[in-house]
Amino acid sequence: DARVTQTPRHKVTEMGQEVTMRCQPILGHNTVFWYRQTMMQGLELLAYFRNRAPLDDSGMPKDRFSAEMPDATLATLKIQPSEPRDSAVYFCATTRAGGSWETQYFGPGTRLLVL
Amino acid sequence: AQKITQTQPGMFVQEKEAVTLDCTYDTSDPSYGLFWYKQPSSGEMIFLIYQGSYDQQNATEGRYSLNFQKARKSANLVISASQLGDSAMYFCAMRGSGNTGKLIFGQGTTLQVKP
Repeated sequence: DARVTQTPRHKVTEMGQEVTMRCQPILGHNTVFWYRQTMMQGLELLAYFRNRAPLDDSGMPKDRFSAEMPDATLATLKIQPSEPRDSAVYFCATTRAGGSWETQYFGPGTRLLVL
Repeated sequence: AQKITQTQPGMFVQEKEAVTLDCTYDTSDPSYGLFWYKQPSSGEMIFLIYQGSYDQQNATEGRYSLNFQKARKSANLVISASQLGDSAMYFCAMRGSGNTGKLIFGQGTTLQVKP
């Protein structure tokens, strides 16, 4: 049963600390999206990669957020320093470019609370 | 610019009855895809169904069907024979024909199934 894996599932940290979230795409999926979900803003796209290259990170605050894909099996989203307004659920979604309308499959999310 | 609108913040339906969740969209792309996702209280995002803009027939997937009316730019989700497990938030999303792969999400509709 192929699934997108995300770790950690929950993270509580203090303001100013570094937070790293990880995502393992479904095997064979070459496109990775990072979304953030909050009550106020709903689901927002932060960044995405295709074949490990960043294609769009315009939704991401550049001063504190960074996204990388060191290899085909791992994508990371880092916040440094974290702030209370970063509290949200962060989803990774993956797809295979050229697949059936490139349906995106979501991971379980990382629920982040910054105190 | 692309936009997805879900006008029903919350809906109730009696168990075993059918329910329609509304979704309208706006795009200038000639080719696009429409998706529905389910988010239960556990927080995961579950892909339900998709419809391509050039598909001649409405998509169906088990108890889910998509009532696609291209001229009216609507893509309503119909759930037949509602079950208690259908209680969740439902999101409509759209992907344009550009090579971005980005999904634009609506604000969601919360569905409560009553026993």
